[in-house]
Amino acid sequence: AQTVTQSQPEMSVQEAETVTLSCTYDTSESDYYLFWYKQPPSRQMILVIRQEAYKQQNATENRFSVNFQKAAKSFSLKISDSQLGDAAMYFCALLSGNTPLVFGKGTRLSVIA
Amino acid sequence: DTEVTQTPKHLVMGMTNKKSLKCEQHMGHRAMYWYKQKAKKPPELMFVYSYEKLSINESVPSRFSPECPNSSLLNLHLHALQPEDSALYLCASSQVSGGLETQYFGPGTRLLVL
Repeated sequence: AQTVTQSQPEMSVQEAETVTLSCTYDTSESDYYLFWYKQPPSRQMILVIRQEAYKQQNATENRFSVNFQKAAKSFSLKISDSQLGDAAMYFCALLSGNTPLVFGKGTRLSVIA
Repeated sequence: DTEVTQTPKHLVMGMTNKKSLKCEQHMGHRAMYWYKQKAKKPPELMFVYSYEKLSINESVPSRFSPECPNSSLLNLHLHALQPEDSALYLCASSQVSGGLETQYFGPGTRLLVL
């Protein structure tokens, strides 16, 4: 079975600082995608970044980057130069084989001005 | 353009009412999804439509009835709901289902059942 674990229910970061959100996963498939979704208080689920398992290079989208450690089954999200608008619930998600998207329980990020 | 739209944004209904939620995408995606999300929880998959045919029903009660009139539209018909059905209902779409395709979500409909 596919599982996603986010061990940090809540985190906080000072504005302009860097924060890393953790995610570990488990799958028996060799081909899979990993995602980070952001859900602000407005509740819209927004795709932040995605990583294809076959790619060794870590994905980057502006201030957002991932540290993908395939052997360790770890997929952490780094947010640089944190902004007030980054405050949200962040969900790590796994898509593998023919199974539906599996979400972690989420990490609530607060940004302190 | 990765936009999925949902109407209405908010809905309040009584337990005897019949209402419908609507979802639309114009990205040419052939898979569409309904999720239910309770506060502070991840989304829970309800239904998957692939090429306008229902491919997954995650044991959802029959008071929820999905419909896919065409490749761009997905409806969720609601009847005789219970207060515990109050939640955010999210629609998503992807190129295809059963493959490694990114899902894009709509803004959701916040449903309150009285």
